Order: sequence, then C-alpha cells, then structure tokens
Amino acid sequence: QMQLVQSGPEVKKPGTSVKVSCKASGVTFSRSAVQWLRQARGQRPEWIGWIVVGSGTTNFAQEFQDRVTMTRDMSTSTAYMVISGLRSDDTAVYYCAADGSGVVATTYWGQGTLVTVSS
Amino acid sequence: EIVLTQSPATLSLSPGERATLSCRASQSVTTYLAWYQQKPGQAPRLLIYDASTRATGIPARFSGSGSGTDFTLTVSSLEPEDFAVYYCHQRSGWPPTFGGGTKVEIK
Repeated sequence: QMQLVQSGPEVKKPGTSVKVSCKASGVTFSRSAVQWLRQARGQRPEWIGWIVVGSGTTNFAQEFQDRVTMTRDMSTSTAYMVISGLRSDDTAVYYCAADGSGVVATTYWGQGTLVTVSS
Repeated sequence: EIVLTQSPATLSLSPGERATLSCRASQSVTTYLAWYQQKPGQAPRLLIYDASTRATGIPARFSGSGSGTDFTLTVSSLEPEDFAVYYCHQRSGWPPTFGGGTKVEIK
C-alpha cells in the first residue's frame, strides 16, 4: 500500500514558479512511476505527466512540455514538480499519484496541493 | 488526444435505485478504461480498471462493462455514500484523459 504526502498550499503571482513535493512510503520508491495531475475547481482532472523514478525518464502532456520539470530524490523517496510561467488558469489542486501493482490505472493519490495564482 | 464523453451530466436517483453511467471514447481505448468516484474535497478514488475489474476494497454493487469506445458503470443499488461525481479515464492514448463527469445526486 503506497502513501503519498504532498507539500502545503501555495499562493503565487503570475509569471513566477511553484515547486510541489510528494513524499512516498510503503513501496520501493526506485521501482515506481510518479504521475502528476491537476484539477481546477468544478473541472475534470487533467494529466500533466509522469516520471519513472529509477531512470528519471519523464513524459509530459504537450501543453505542459515547455514549462514543467519533474525530478526525484531517491534518498528521501520524494518527487518534485516545478511549473514555471504561472498564469491565473493554473490555479488548481495538484495531485501526485501512482498506479497500483499490476494495475494500469491511477490507484494511489496524494492529498492534493492547492496552488493559487493571483496578482 | 482521445476525448471521453460521459452521459448524463447529472443523474437524480433515490437510495436503493440502480444507476447506469455511460462513457464514450472518440476512438478505441480497447479496455484501458477506468472509473473513479470523487467526493468534495477528496482525491478521486479508483473503482474499476481494465473496464470491468473492481479495485481492491470496492463493493460488488459497482460493476463496469464495455470495450472499444462504449463503456458503462453500473451501481446496482445506491447507498447514501454513493452520491458523488464519477469520472471515466483512459490510459490507451497519450495523454491520458478524463471524461467530464456524471454527478449522481439524491432525488
């Protein structure tokens, strides 16, 4: 059973960057792939991308490719996502997540991090 | 990008009634289709994956069916805790996408 604990809420100004962390436990972190998604209020979830922890390989949805960075620190079992060039429509709850063992579906979710972008 | 269209947008039912939710994909996703339940202030909860396999701990009143482009989530007899928003989600194409959701509300 995997647990994912995310960092706290953030308030940022347009044009700046935000870094969200996600600490994993309950699994062998190096064998995991951490997904990042977001959900604006009243909207459907939206896939941002993922990082394969062991290799560091990343894959992003096209709309995020130019301004999202995903990294990981295997010594602390923590994944990070940085979004730069924030806009007001980036205001959303950001989730880290992962598939279950042998399951091709997002099974485990962090508690979510509210990022508010406002001048 | 594969577009998932859910219907209806809202379903008004009473506890004990049967709920039937639909999800249609713009192209085949074979069976890489999952269903999630979401309540206010919570992360989505996986109910069904591979179109018809219940996730661990999910009650038998939840069932999924379909393949290709047409999928159905059925709740055989609604319990009070089942009133929520339900999303379908595909992992066949890149990027993975979600449907717009069906809200199951108390009539």
